[in-house]
Amino acid sequence: QQQVKQSPQSLIVQKGGISIINCAYENTAFDYFPWYQQFPGKGPALLIAIRPDVSEKKEGRFTISFNKSAKQFSLHIMDSQPGDSATYFCAASNTGNQFYFGTGTSLTVIP
Amino acid sequence: DTAVSQTPKYLVTQMGNDKSIKCEQNLGHDTMYWYKQDSKKFLKIMFSYNNKELIINETVPNRFSPKSPDKAHLNLHINSLELGDSAVYFCASSGRQSANYGYTFGSGTRLTVV
Repeated sequence: QQQVKQSPQSLIVQKGGISIINCAYENTAFDYFPWYQQFPGKGPALLIAIRPDVSEKKEGRFTISFNKSAKQFSLHIMDSQPGDSATYFCAASNTGNQFYFGTGTSLTVIP
Repeated sequence: DTAVSQTPKYLVTQMGNDKSIKCEQNLGHDTMYWYKQDSKKFLKIMFSYNNKELIINETVPNRFSPKSPDKAHLNLHINSLELGDSAVYFCASSGRQSANYGYTFGSGTRLTVV
């Protein structure tokens, strides 16, 4: 059973546009929700993360929006750039014991 | 100084061979993992070790055997390799004592079975 569901599978955005990737979870014991960015030939790298006691976290052009009641969280990439083209994974963890990853979203930003 | 390093980066081998992938972390983390990433980019956890003890063993053929000589190392041995084993294998580590758990991946080993 997929603990974290991610959509869309792929996304194409024009340069300067907003990229939005959504994730949903069921386990209310999760207390940490990171997003990972993976470039071709590289391992996933932590991009930004949020805990359920806040509804939004922003770091530069990247923002996580978190809706605890709906058990959903999303990644927004403002002013998307070609260099943002990568695969993005959401994840969830319960006290760091195990991380559950979404199925990934392949983002392509067109110049 | 690489936090999670795995070797080799590329591995091409024939069906039926036995091979190993090595992983080392210098982050002081207690838990290490092996993931398999297929052509669709899906990250599937295979094993998890905490302080040298196996804590997660997902449904993986018993041809795959992890070995952890100490908490900084987790190696993956694969016997009788099959075509379907071709994938990218990632090692990762995490530490509950770290802020945000410090979940860190290695750069991957691309295994090609011919």
